[in-house]
Amino acid sequence: AQSVTQPDIHITVSEGASLELRCNYSYGATPYLFWYVQSPGQGLQLLLKYFSGDTLVQGIKGFEAEFKRSQSSFNLRKPSVHWSDAAEYFCAVAPYSGAGSYQLTFGKGTKLSVIP
Amino acid sequence: DTGVSQDPRHKITKRGQNVTFRCDPISEHNRLYWYRQTLGQGPEFLTYFQNEAQLEKSRLLSDRFSAERPKGSFSTLEIQRTEQGDSAMYLCASSSLQIITGELFFGEGSRLTVL
Repeated sequence: AQSVTQPDIHITVSEGASLELRCNYSYGATPYLFWYVQSPGQGLQLLLKYFSGDTLVQGIKGFEAEFKRSQSSFNLRKPSVHWSDAAEYFCAVAPYSGAGSYQLTFGKGTKLSVIP
Repeated sequence: DTGVSQDPRHKITKRGQNVTFRCDPISEHNRLYWYRQTLGQGPEFLTYFQNEAQLEKSRLLSDRFSAERPKGSFSTLEIQRTEQGDSAMYLCASSSLQIITGELFFGEGSRLTVL
């Protein structure tokens, strides 16, 4: 069964500082990997995705993530955080097409607080 | 594109009552999903529809839960004989067949509080 671990429950950074949110996954094959963001009172929004090719993927709002197969990781990064980035971030894994399942498995999330 | 809409946004009910949530997906999306999110947890998969067919159900979906998508458009999620443990945010998402599994568009959710 697939699983996702986000080791950090809560991270606080200063505005303008760099950010890295950690994500480790467990899956028997090459997974599809995602980062979603959930702002208060809003629905989950897709930040970026990886399913093949270049292991460094770019997303919206200046975020990027790097897939490292050897470490089973898909960490999210941003070089300079803005106050509006304060939200909860979820890493997720989906089975490859043809697996017969459409379940997206989420981690427990990392809450990001930004100090002005 | 008006997005995924869910109704009601918040429902407070007494234990033992039945509740129903509605989800209207993005109009051209033929895939529809229900997830449940409890405090401090990520969303957990409940069920998946492709058009009107319910193709996948989680073990979390007990006999008290039923989901339908009668005409392949909107969907309802009914919980019968609610229990306090059912208190959660119920999320609906949709996607099209043309995009990869996991690229979901989520609604803002329906929060259920069972007293």
